[in-house]
Amino acid sequence: GPKVLQIPSHQIIDMGQMVTLNCDPVSNHLYFYWYKQILGQQMEFLVNFYNGKVMEKSKLFKDQFSVERPDGSYFTLKIQPTALEDSAVYFCASSFEGVGNTLYFGEGSRLIVV
Amino acid sequence: GEKVEQHESTLSVREGDSAVINCTYTDTASSYFPWYKQEAGKSLHFVIDIRSNVDRKQSQRLIVLLDKKAKRFSLHITATQPEDSAIYFCAASGGNYQLIWGSGTKLIIKP
Repeated sequence: GPKVLQIPSHQIIDMGQMVTLNCDPVSNHLYFYWYKQILGQQMEFLVNFYNGKVMEKSKLFKDQFSVERPDGSYFTLKIQPTALEDSAVYFCASSFEGVGNTLYFGEGSRLIVV
Repeated sequence: GEKVEQHESTLSVREGDSAVINCTYTDTASSYFPWYKQEAGKSLHFVIDIRSNVDRKQSQRLIVLLDKKAKRFSLHITATQPEDSAIYFCAASGGNYQLIWGSGTKLIIKP
């Protein structure tokens, strides 16, 4: 089936440094999402993105977070500066249309902030 | 804010029996209710959904029921098999673009 690719799969980073998580969504999808999951628990919505713009974001999407998809390439989540509580698995997802359409998830990027 | 509560954090059933996972939601405007499955160490993938214009949907061994009055929906897995072991997440539409997720139910299928 359709695949969403995420790079890197794992990253260990010092607190205060910047990290960029990359997502290659399904090719004809128009809506992109980032979710945060801690310890295999609840999926927490961070942000969604459509037509070059953030459409909705949660209170977890701190000022240190930013997303972009320059020139139709990777959809990225940047955290600058990182904090210890940012340690989690970040899942990217994409869908052809908005809510009400199936989300296709990547395998996740495990971020460890030390 | 709006919430989705998933009542069973862990559910253990014998292989061949049925499993039922229950969720409740708070947003009366929610109209779309998907279920996703996450196997150990893997990503989520879609299993089944239901929209508010129906109260029951079946896909092979999966049945989803929706009670809009009680703001409750449930996933029934019949004739469970070992490969059904996973964490199941329910979700409900909230706002224009996002889903509100339950906390997940770990389903264990015992031989």
